[in-house]
Amino acid sequence: GAVVSQHPSWVICKSGTSVKIECRSLDFQATTMFWYRQFPKQSLMLMATSNEGSKATYEQGVEKDKFLINHASLTLSTLTVTSAHPEDSSFYICSARTGGGDQPQHFGDGTRLSIL
Amino acid sequence: QKEVEQNSGPLSVPEGAIASLNCTYSDRGSQSFFWYRQYSGKSPELIMSIYSNGDKEDGRFTAQLNKASQYVSLLIRDSQPSDSATYLCAVRYSGNTPLVFGKGTRLSVIA
Repeated sequence: GAVVSQHPSWVICKSGTSVKIECRSLDFQATTMFWYRQFPKQSLMLMATSNEGSKATYEQGVEKDKFLINHASLTLSTLTVTSAHPEDSSFYICSARTGGGDQPQHFGDGTRLSIL
Repeated sequence: QKEVEQNSGPLSVPEGAIASLNCTYSDRGSQSFFWYRQYSGKSPELIMSIYSNGDKEDGRFTAQLNKASQYVSLLIRDSQPSDSATYLCAVRYSGNTPLVFGKGTRLSVIA
């Protein structure tokens, strides 16, 4: 149980392109979803937290107009990287949790984004 | 600033030995504690969760929690080369807040 599906797994595109990443909870309702970014050999960096039906809460230093997050249903959240540039190249990982309290976060397989 | 500290390693152990991974956290009011494993180029996968003081065992893994010392550890018995990965300690401080992750300890099990 607790499967999180993330798509696509790999994206290569030109600078200036907008890229949408989908994150789905397959067998549970994700009341809260999290988006992380990880650069090579570095730790996970939380970008934003989203609750279903609410606006996402962004971490300090993360541009909300550049990284658009939508969490319209209990099983789907999307992250759109708008006008991507080479410095946005990274490993983006979504995570989902049902309820709060003691529930763990379950991670998708990640999306490797390369901007040329 | 809530912090989770881990030794970055690498921690090298021979195959069959016990690997001991340690983590400390800054907020005494923390409620939930998790260990994740992350292979290179992959996303984290949950290994164990622990919520109360003491030991919790699951197969070859044992998590230990000491809230008074603000310390949580993970023991891996009979370590295998396939256990070689980065192990992330994660702490939830309260309610609906996101997990705070340590930077991870890289474990290398030598055959």
